Amino acid sequence: DIVMTQSPDSLAVSLGERATINCRSSQSVLYSSNNKNYLAWYQQKPGQPPKLLIYWSSTRESGVPDRFSGGGSGTDFTLTISSLQAEDVAVYYCQQYYSPPRTFGGGTKVEIK
Amino acid sequence: EVQLVESGGGLVQPGGSLRLSCVGSGFTFSTYWMTWVRQAPGKGLEWVTNIKEDGTDIYYVDSVKGRFTVSRDNDKNSLYLQMNSLRAEDTAVYYCARGVYKVDYWGQGTLVTVSS
Repeated sequence: DIVMTQSPDSLAVSLGERATINCRSSQSVLYSSNNKNYLAWYQQKPGQPPKLLIYWSSTRESGVPDRFSGGGSGTDFTLTISSLQAEDVAVYYCQQYYSPPRTFGGGTKVEIK
Repeated sequence: EVQLVESGGGLVQPGGSLRLSCVGSGFTFSTYWMTWVRQAPGKGLEWVTNIKEDGTDIYYVDSVKGRFTVSRDNDKNSLYLQMNSLRAEDTAVYYCARGVYKVDYWGQGTLVTVSS
């Protein structure tokens, strides 16, 4: 199974500042035949289901603000919120869909400093 | 508007069974892989299972293999999760979601509590 490790577990960022979340997979999730990274990012607010933010490691889902961006390749990935807004307080998860079981990272809680 | 609505959760004793259902609307259900994800109280997300559009390809997380069975009825736009031999550690909110790569729509979830 591919193990997904996120860091940090939590972070506090001032409004308007940058937040960066890291995600590492125990093996590459880059599929060489199409050069796509099989990785997604989700946002979950309390009492709500997860919301898809990013797929194919860097493709923003429709309607997601452009302050959210995904990067990385192979085994190391990042989710960046370029200018943190109050509504971004949530837990963020990465997930690999390269192979089943399609595992999630442990989550990163983002708060306002 | 795409909607996914789960039902069937509740309180069950260890060793018991439950069948969860998920009805999809606002999209062509038969053309999408479907997914179940669960979340134990206060914990992170755990992928449980995927089922292909026609039900011919299915995957499970190891912890539910042999106990849970996913199925679908495309005529009824419905996804199911039959859960047998339930354990305390299966206690969670179970989410139904659309897709396998781009999992873009999620239901609100149904709570399963396994306790005596």
